[in-house]
Amino acid sequence: AQSVAQPEDQVNVAEGNPLTVKCTYSVSGNPYLFWYVQYPNRGLQFLLKYITGDNLVKGSYGFEAEFNKSQTSFHLKKPSALVSDSALYFCAVRFVMFSGGYNKLIFGAGTRLAVHP
Amino acid sequence: DAGVIQSPRHEVTEMGQEVTLRCKPISGHDYLFWYRQTMMRGLELLIYFNNNVPIDDSGMPEDRFSAKMPNASFSTLKIQPSEPRDSAVYFCASSFGIGITEAFFGQGTRLTVV
Repeated sequence: AQSVAQPEDQVNVAEGNPLTVKCTYSVSGNPYLFWYVQYPNRGLQFLLKYITGDNLVKGSYGFEAEFNKSQTSFHLKKPSALVSDSALYFCAVRFVMFSGGYNKLIFGAGTRLAVHP
Repeated sequence: DAGVIQSPRHEVTEMGQEVTLRCKPISGHDYLFWYRQTMMRGLELLIYFNNNVPIDDSGMPEDRFSAKMPNASFSTLKIQPSEPRDSAVYFCASSFGIGITEAFFGQGTRLTVV
């Protein structure tokens, strides 16, 4: 079955420390993977996406993500967390069939990141 | 472009009433997605369109929900009759092409059914 999972409901980290938000996926074929962030009472904002061949992807606001094919993971990372990074983070995967326009984008359950001063 | 525009931002309605949520995608985008977000179920994909044609509506919870896309610049999600368990934030998103292109989200409509 094709799916995306975020095993942690919440991640707590002190400001200045590195952070990791975990994501694993299950998809047949090449994975199309994304990270989004949601601030309170706002829509989702795109952070970064996996492009085939680049195992370390850099995105907005200093975030990056590490793709690991053998572990089917796409963890979000940041070397030094800020209090303003506190938000809800979603991993997403796109299931594609080029014939018929099948292009389904589904999201993990979300991980709440809390960065403490 | 102003991004994906949803209206209304907030809707409070009584149980049994019809509710219509509206979405204007980004110009030129050929995919439009409707999602529902709740604390219990997270972000669920309800339905998505390609070039105004519904491709996958397997996430639509029941017959009370319907979605249309009469043209490339407008889509509606209708709930008739509404029930308290439909209370949620409904998001519309659009994207261009298949695969690696990211989707852009609207600000959402917060629906409360009392």
